[in-house]
Parts: sequence; structure tokens; C-alpha cells
Amino acid sequence: DTAVSQTPKYLVTQMGNDKSIKCEQNLGHDTMYWYKQDSKKFLKIMFSYNNKELIINETVPNRFSPKSPDKAHLNLHINSLELGDSAVYFCASSHQGADQPQHFGDGTRLSIL
Amino acid sequence: ELKVEQNPLFLSMQEGKNYTIYCNYSTTSDRLYWYRQDPGKSLESLFVLLSNGAVKQEGRLMASLDTKARLSTLHITAAVHDLSATYFCAEHRGGGSNYKLTFGKGTLLTVNP
Repeated sequence: DTAVSQTPKYLVTQMGNDKSIKCEQNLGHDTMYWYKQDSKKFLKIMFSYNNKELIINETVPNRFSPKSPDKAHLNLHINSLELGDSAVYFCASSHQGADQPQHFGDGTRLSIL
Repeated sequence: ELKVEQNPLFLSMQEGKNYTIYCNYSTTSDRLYWYRQDPGKSLESLFVLLSNGAVKQEGRLMASLDTKARLSTLHITAAVHDLSATYFCAEHRGGGSNYKLTFGKGTLLTVNP
């Protein structure tokens, strides 16, 4: 009964490949997020979606394309992977206007060879 | 760029000691969150501080918020080894569905026997 689940947990691939990460939440939240955590553990928001609508896009390269088929799912597709994309990507969810905290998934560790 | 600054970034302390982690932020936000992250794990919500003067306590941790000083503190009382982790503060920015968390760089806490 995991609240926010991401797949895969680990992703190892070569430069130039295209990959996707999936996220699902069963908390009934209406807003979902993607964060990137770099090797120094700095955590930065990439995107947020509210009821399938893109709300925040934090100057992320066009190679990153989020997709939200419904409010319980938010996927992240990355084209032409680069070495600098190596990081841990976290999905999170919350209710709109959150006086409640965001709930985070376990993360996807992406390693680019 | 508006920042959230934590200090110290690294904290090594002995069991039984007290210490405070500071979080300074640069906007007029009145909402501040504290999260804990164990190595290789997800982020766990610790505290949600929603107004000036808010104080919350859970076990050996106590968090407070001073919106006039734009400062939040996380106080550790009589530290135990199990508290070893990275602690993040995050400032709430924006409103309605267009809100995001801006994280500090994290404080890596190591509690030694």
C-alpha cells in the first residue's frame, strides 16, 4: 500500500539513449511533482502538475518531458540522455494549496555511462 | 536568486548533546517544512510550520518559525544515534496550485556514540 511509488528504482543507461520513469500515487492528491537530487544532495523542483495540467516548469531542458495521463500518475520521459542527467529523481504528491506536506516516492537513481 | 540557506551543512555531535540547525530564507513566506532523508532513502516529512511563532515538537526534535526574521530552527535535544540523517528545510513559495517547495542544501547530521 505504498503511497507514492516510482519505477524503476535504478536505471543505468548510455549517453544518447531515451528513458522513462513512472510515478503513481494512491493518496488521492491532486498535485504531483518531479524533483532532481544531484550528487551533492541538492534537491530542486523540475515540474508540477495539478489535475493533469502543467503548473510549474523550472527551466528544465526540452529533453525532459513530463506526462500526466490522470491525476494519480506523472511520468517523466528523458530524450538524448547526457552525463549531467545522472541524479536521483523523486516524484512527490500533495493536495493543492498544501498546508500538508508533500509525500515523496523512493526515488529513481539514474546513472549515465 | 532567492535562496534557502541552512547551516551548518555538516554536523557531527556526540550522543546526549544538544544542537540547533538554522534555516534562513529570503521571501516573505509564512510556511516552512522540515524533512529528513536517510542515506539512499526517500524524504520523510517531519514538521509543517504554518505561521509566525509556530513551534512543533516530536520526540527529541523541535522546530520553530520566525517569519519576521525569515528564520526557522530545528533543535535537537539529547541526540541519539538514530537521529543521524540529512535534514532539509524547505520554503513554501507561491499560492493555490502554483506553489512549490524550495529546499535548502541539507544538513548532514552524524551522531556519534
